[in-house]
Amino acid sequence: GAVVSQHPSWVICKSGTSVKIECRSLDFQATTMFWYRQFPKQSLMLMATSNEGSKATYEQGVEKDKFLINHASLTLSTLTVTSAHPEDSSFYICSARRLRQGGNSPLHFGNGTRLTVT
Amino acid sequence: QKEVEQNSGPLSVPEGAIASLNCTYSDRGSQSFFWYRQYSGKSPELIMSIYSNGDKEDGRFTAQLNKASQYVSLLIRDSQPSDSATYLCAVKASGANNLFFGTGTRLTVIP
Repeated sequence: GAVVSQHPSWVICKSGTSVKIECRSLDFQATTMFWYRQFPKQSLMLMATSNEGSKATYEQGVEKDKFLINHASLTLSTLTVTSAHPEDSSFYICSARRLRQGGNSPLHFGNGTRLTVT
Repeated sequence: QKEVEQNSGPLSVPEGAIASLNCTYSDRGSQSFFWYRQYSGKSPELIMSIYSNGDKEDGRFTAQLNKASQYVSLLIRDSQPSDSATYLCAVKASGANNLFFGTGTRLTVIP
């Protein structure tokens, strides 16, 4: 089956620094990947849609200059949290879809990255 | 109005019983529906997908879809303590590329 790999699984950083999270589709190509954020006891909230070879599409309220997304290849998308602050501490999860006819196939998730900003 | 609504629970059932999880959605044109299981501190994993009205069974899991009522459910038969997790309902709305998630229902199976 489809496998999505996310790295790192957890990171602790100091306030003001930047953190890069990688998301790879291991056995399929993904022209589109999705980045979600999940705060404790809350559901997944879509942050942005990463499009291979073009700019990411950000959801309302998500700062594109703070959460930089790069989707340089068909198997890799990266999310960089710039100038991180404690309120950015969260569980970040990427996902991708193996394209099938109609594009209705499910999303497969990476293992998530728990970011703690001190 | 939320796109996808679930009862947050918690839902507690004894081991061996049937757990019933419910979900409603707002976009009548939605075509794809998914149930994910999420253990604490982990990312969601896909359990079931359903695209047409009726029941779809996979092992101990049965997904039910009623598009007229905009309702999708998940039944877990012979519940096991290892089924204790949060179950997320996800819907792909018409014209959307991403999924909309409910807030999840926390299930506890009591040994």
